Amino acid sequence: AQSVTQLGSHVSVSEGALVLLRCNYSSSVPPYLFWYVQYPNQGLQLLLKYTSAATLVKGINGFEAEFKKSETSFHLTKPSAHMSDAAEYFCAVSLHTGGFKTIFGAGTRLFVKA
Amino acid sequence: KAGVTQTPRYLIKTRGQQVTLSCSPISGHRSVSWYQQTPGQGLQFLFEYFSETQRNKGNFPGRFSGRQFSNSRSEMNVSTLELGDSALYLCASSGLAVDPDTQYFGPGTRLTVL
Repeated sequence: AQSVTQLGSHVSVSEGALVLLRCNYSSSVPPYLFWYVQYPNQGLQLLLKYTSAATLVKGINGFEAEFKKSETSFHLTKPSAHMSDAAEYFCAVSLHTGGFKTIFGAGTRLFVKA
Repeated sequence: KAGVTQTPRYLIKTRGQQVTLSCSPISGHRSVSWYQQTPGQGLQFLFEYFSETQRNKGNFPGRFSGRQFSNSRSEMNVSTLELGDSALYLCASSGLAVDPDTQYFGPGTRLTVL
């Protein structure tokens, strides 16, 4: 069965520091992988997605993620954190089963310290 | 282009009542998915509709149902509400030919069951 595991429910970084949010997946078929961000009282916004075109995916707001098949990972990074990056981040895998549904990880809340 | 809209944004009901939530997808999108988000269970897939047909269903009891209309608008209904149904209900649409796997989320409906 497909699943997504996000390591660390809370991550705290200082402003200007590297952001690294970890995501591992399990999938019996080549996956479509996504990172979404959710700000308080809002829906989810797509940051980036992997669909087998390139292993390094660049997204919005300076985020990027690298697909590593050998490690079944899709970690999200940003070189320099900004206060506005404080939010909850979700890794997700999309399954195609005659339609599709998306399985989300539990989420990682990012705190950015001044 | 207008995003996904959900109505109402907030709802308070009492146990035993029923509720109907509405979702209008992005123009041109034919797939609508519903998710329940709670602090304890995270984001859980409810069901997906495409061209008025349910294509996928998550592991929720039969009290949760949905439908999609010919204009792709969708509704979900929860009957005999329980306290545990209190959650943020998110709707997402997708279906552009050039980007069929990306889901765009609405702001959600916050349901409180008293």
